[in-house]
Amino acid sequence: GAGVSQSPSNKVTEKGKDVELRCDPISGHTALYWYRQSLGQGLEFLIYFQGNSAPDKSGLPSDRFSAERTGGSVSTLTIQRTQQEDSAVYLCASSRWTTLPRDTQYFGPGTRLTVL
Amino acid sequence: AQKITQTQPGMFVQEKEAVTLDCTYDTSDPSYGLFWYKQPSSGEMIFLIYQGSYDQQNATEGRYSLNFQKARKSANLVISASQLGDSAMYFCAMREGKNAGNMLTFGGGTRLMVKP
Repeated sequence: GAGVSQSPSNKVTEKGKDVELRCDPISGHTALYWYRQSLGQGLEFLIYFQGNSAPDKSGLPSDRFSAERTGGSVSTLTIQRTQQEDSAVYLCASSRWTTLPRDTQYFGPGTRLTVL
Repeated sequence: AQKITQTQPGMFVQEKEAVTLDCTYDTSDPSYGLFWYKQPSSGEMIFLIYQGSYDQQNATEGRYSLNFQKARKSANLVISASQLGDSAMYFCAMREGKNAGNMLTFGGGTRLMVKP
């Protein structure tokens, strides 16, 4: 079956520009997550969405970062006025959502963002 | 304090031998789940195995098994009969109980290199 897909796979942008990263979760998964993977910081949680609940934005590093999820499916992560420290791989994951700890998150291939 | 610690930045193993990747964790929540993911050079995070804090037995999935020592707060991954395709980064991650959100907290990873 189809896994989590992300686009673009690579994005090079200039400092100060806005970028949009897209994530398409596994069909039937109600929870969607964004993480960032960088050399200095490892894997960091950014934001997650579950159904119609308000998203948990506790991991967003600044107000330049925002995300939305339309129709409970596709999500877009937007970074405004990009900075060089935003360069990283942005990973999206989805899960079926259970209230038990066993709620496996399945990851997409990531978007590698390079800010020049 | 680090919630997930992987003390081995890199490890070598001979093909066909077994290898243990260490993971220790820190939580005061009695309900939590521990996950191991593999990240090959392609970048995608691949789910390997899960262990719940209340599980009575160590988890096993094919060549992967978890040496779960709850009192020591360790959840080491054992890979038996290593293959060249096992060369990758391996991440240990934790999801704490329902009061702590649904995000995963990751360790810094261990790079495993399998020698022919």
